[in-house]
Parts: sequence; C-alpha cells; structure tokens
Amino acid sequence: QSALTQPPSASGSPGQSVTISCAGTSSDVGDYNTVSWYQQHPGKAPKLMIFEVTNRPSGVPDRFSGSKSGNTASLIVSGLQPEDEADYYCSSYAGNNILLFGGGTRLTVL
Amino acid sequence: EVQLVESGGGLVQPGGSLRLSCVASGFTFSTYGMTWVRQAPGKGLEWVSTIPFSGGSGYYAESVKGRFTISRDNTKNSVYLQMNSLRAEDAAVYYCATDGSGWSRDHWGQGTLVTVSS
Repeated sequence: QSALTQPPSASGSPGQSVTISCAGTSSDVGDYNTVSWYQQHPGKAPKLMIFEVTNRPSGVPDRFSGSKSGNTASLIVSGLQPEDEADYYCSSYAGNNILLFGGGTRLTVL
Repeated sequence: EVQLVESGGGLVQPGGSLRLSCVASGFTFSTYGMTWVRQAPGKGLEWVSTIPFSGGSGYYAESVKGRFTISRDNTKNSVYLQMNSLRAEDAAVYYCATDGSGWSRDHWGQGTLVTVSS
C-alpha cells in the first residue's frame, strides 16, 4: 500500500495554467478509472474537485480538469485564481477494497 | 445540505482506546458507504477505513487492521470508529466522508482531533 506520488509543490501566476501529476502503478492508477482530486485550504476539510479521472462535481469551476495516461494522472488548473492556492491530493482505488492517496501538492499562486 | 459532524476525539495515552462518531444529515444515510480518512499534523491524507451502505465488517488500511473497527447505525444516521491499542502515529485529525462515484469521497466533515501522548 504505497502512497501515490505527487510533486510537493507547484506554482503559477494568475491567469496561467498549472498541471499537477499523480504517479501510481499498474495496480492502481493504471488499472482503474477511479482517480479523484481534492482541494484543501489550511485548516479546512478536503473538497472533491474531480472524480473518475475527468468528472467535475456540480459547482466546481470548469477551470479544473483531469486526465490520465498510463499509470499517471494529472490535474490541470487553467486560468489560475488567487483562491486556487491550496493543497491538492489525488486518490485512486488500488484493488482489494483499498483506497490510496497521494502525498499532496501545495499550489502557490504567485 | 449534506452535513457530517464528527466527535469523540481527544487526548489518550499510548495503548488506550477511543471511539469516534460521525452523525450525518441532509441525505439518505442508509444508501451511502462511509469512510474515515485521517491527517497527521502537517502531513497528507491517509485512508483509514470504509464501510458499505449495508454495514458489515468494513475494509481497513494495513496500518490500522486489527486495532480499529468501523461500524454504523443506520437508525441513528451514524458511523463509528473504535480505535484500540492507540500509538503515537495514530495522532491525527480524523474526517468522515461519504462514498461517491468511482471510489471518490464527495462530502467531508470538519474532522475531530486525536492526540496520543503520555
């Protein structure tokens, strides 16, 4: 049960796009279309931003999108806004009723 | 509006026990699986346990298997986490969350803090 691998930090200027990666294996990210992404502001609970790789829950801006290639998933944030500054976590089903999270990426809006 | 309210956290000595509760409202609780996720201070999210909508034995992370037990009472719209043989590394904010599509967790409570220290 190894955690998924995310870069510890990412940054971009307002209006720019940034991509956060989430690397897994052929037993988790690569085997299931169950990657989710969560946004967490300091002191707050996580918020679901993307589910099933590409789907946005109601109310999430379309600036947020997801993709997957092989064993790596990505969260793309377009048109960065100051309020997008937060920690982002990916997760994936890993079989045998196990859920894995990534280590998290701190996104800074410069 | 979906609401999840956790309680039961606090200070406990190593080797001790604690029971967390999460009361749900705003949705049909008995039709949703429920999950506990924890976050150690300054660290990332860690899946702890999930229980299907119908109940049963639940699923556990290796780090807590044999020490923690998840349960639910659909008549009380509540899910519980019984934590035994607590260790320093179990110290964290514990969140309950609803199970969404594709193993996502779509609604989260505000969390309850568990501190394990002598």
